[in-house]
Amino acid sequence: GAGVSQSPRYKVTKRGQDVALRCDPISGHVSLYWYRQALGQGPEFLTYFNYEAQQDKSGLPNDRFSAERPEGSISTLTIQRTEQRDSAMYRCASSLSSSGGPRAGELFFGEGSRLTVL
Amino acid sequence: GEDVEQSLFLSVREGDSSVINCTYTDSSSTYLYWYKQEPGAGLQLLTYIFSNMDMKQDQRLTVLLNKKDKHLSLRIADTQTGDSAIYFCAESHGSSNTGKLIFGQGTTLQVKP
Repeated sequence: GAGVSQSPRYKVTKRGQDVALRCDPISGHVSLYWYRQALGQGPEFLTYFNYEAQQDKSGLPNDRFSAERPEGSISTLTIQRTEQRDSAMYRCASSLSSSGGPRAGELFFGEGSRLTVL
Repeated sequence: GEDVEQSLFLSVREGDSSVINCTYTDSSSTYLYWYKQEPGAGLQLLTYIFSNMDMKQDQRLTVLLNKKDKHLSLRIADTQTGDSAIYFCAESHGSSNTGKLIFGQGTTLQVKP
């Protein structure tokens, strides 16, 4: 497809289960970002990759959260032992450029994966 | 710490101008951005401004930046019902510009016919 694709769109899970959220960025985009958006709030940075290298994971809340992008394209955000406070919209975005000019901040967002932890 | 603040809600009549305001704290931000989010969709970049500019105009959109007061505004001329959405202001994190952005909480724009 032409845009950023995320799956699943909706995920309901029980507390303590692991979840994996997938992101397929726009072809050719160098950078891939994960954000989390609570209801009524703006997106909050989690982590990002340039190609397959994770550049910054300072926004990951704790060590239950991890992300990978092994071949520099598709990325997976994994949350282990989910808790109710993990419930949110998880948004992936990709960018053509890695850094330096305004295009680095031109993020193309997917529709998000809404996670509900019961 | 870094923070971006926006008013939560704005209601205007179709054809009027809308002005959405934002304040930010990181004076080293290189670029400031406005994103639009329509219901059920991802965020979409509307426009951006370089930190050494005061104003940028792009068709119906005008961005004003007061760097001294760390105040950013987005003016939409001749607002249409299709402009109804949530508008997010965002600043780049620090001086090395990447897509690591700090977003405000969003302003919901309601356009009445």
